[in-house]
Amino acid sequence: EDQVTQSPEALRLQEGESSSLNCSYTVSGLRGLFWYRQDPGKGPEFLFTLYSAGEEKEKERLKATLTKKESFLHITAPKPEDSATYLCAVDPRNSGYALNFGKGTSLLVTP
Amino acid sequence: DGGITQSPKYLFRKEGQNVTLSCEQNLNHDAMYWYRQDPGQGLRLIYYSQIVNDFQKGDIAEGYSVSREKKESFPLTVTSAQKNPTAFYLCASSPGQGFGYTFGSGTRLTVV
Repeated sequence: EDQVTQSPEALRLQEGESSSLNCSYTVSGLRGLFWYRQDPGKGPEFLFTLYSAGEEKEKERLKATLTKKESFLHITAPKPEDSATYLCAVDPRNSGYALNFGKGTSLLVTP
Repeated sequence: DGGITQSPKYLFRKEGQNVTLSCEQNLNHDAMYWYRQDPGQGLRLIYYSQIVNDFQKGDIAEGYSVSREKKESFPLTVTSAQKNPTAFYLCASSPGQGFGYTFGSGTRLTVV
């Protein structure tokens, strides 16, 4: 069965304190892995797509990386406006036609 | 601007009542999806449609129904058979497999 597990469930950082969020997955074949940001009461907003192991994508203070079993979302020198829930999703090549989502990591960055 | 619109933002349902959530997209995407989001549960797939006049059940389809009469529209009906409908409902669209989703802003449904 395809599974996506995100850790930690919640993370509290001081402004400027860098850290990483983890997304581990077990799928029979990966068509793509996606990261989204979700603010309270809003729909998820697309951040990155990764397709193959070794691939990296960057946007401002965020950097996403991918291996054959997991993805990391690195947050460098975070600011309070980075506070949100970050969702990871996988598109399994051999089963179904919809993304499988992890439960998310709730990030709080304090001044 | 292209996007996906969900309405209403808030919806209240009485016991035994059917309600319909609207989802419209102008992105010319073929695929559309409905997810339910509960605290601590993540996003769970209700229904999806890859093409007009065709749709498939997701993991938690019981108590829900959908239609796809137009490419742009994918309404979700929450029937009285859904015993625990209070949740945040998200609609999404995609150009196809291997591409990510564009999400709507969500509808929060509450049973009163």
